[in-house]
Amino acid sequence: GQNIDQPTEMTATEGAIVQINCTYQTSGFNGLFWYQQHAGEAPTFLSYNVLDGLEEKGRFSSFLSRSKGYSYLLLKELQMKDSASYLCAVRTDSWGKLQFGAGTQVVVTP
Amino acid sequence: EADIYQTPRYLVIGTGKKITLECSQTMGHDKMYWYQQDPGMELHLIHYSYGVNSTEKGDLSSESTVSRIRTEHFPLTLESARPSHTSQYLCASSELGQNYGYTFGSGTRLTVV
Repeated sequence: GQNIDQPTEMTATEGAIVQINCTYQTSGFNGLFWYQQHAGEAPTFLSYNVLDGLEEKGRFSSFLSRSKGYSYLLLKELQMKDSASYLCAVRTDSWGKLQFGAGTQVVVTP
Repeated sequence: EADIYQTPRYLVIGTGKKITLECSQTMGHDKMYWYQQDPGMELHLIHYSYGVNSTEKGDLSSESTVSRIRTEHFPLTLESARPSHTSQYLCASSELGQNYGYTFGSGTRLTVV
């Protein structure tokens, strides 16, 4: 079967750093995506990795190791508005289907 | 500014009714998808389409059906709604090779009573 695993919930204080890990075992791999989803809203794109290494985008960075089947999303200088669910998704074929993890709920406290 | 539109945003309907959830996109994307998401749970792919007159069932078994007669339109139909169909339904589209995966619609939250 296909598995994408992430922690269920993480709590951090405003201004801190949080790292959300994602491990995957899928039938194919053609890129890994991170999305942010606020309660009751649609997911919005955060980052994309297809090669090993770190991609940085402002306060958010994402890392990929294909040999380990592992990625993380790093959120720096946390703000209250970063409280949301963060979804790890793997594109399993060249046609575009995404397989999603269950999401990690990040709670930012004052 | 949304380029993919879902209607209705919220729907409460009685058991046994037929419903159609609408999804339209203005980006000319060939690929469109329907996902089902229960609160706190992962998104499950229920249908997808790679072009006009092409539809496939996804990984999660669903009693719904879809059609793709025009590139921009990908409606989902439930012939007879049941309480077990209560969920959020998300429509998405993508283009081959794009590096941001999907563009999602705002979703339809369906409650069957």
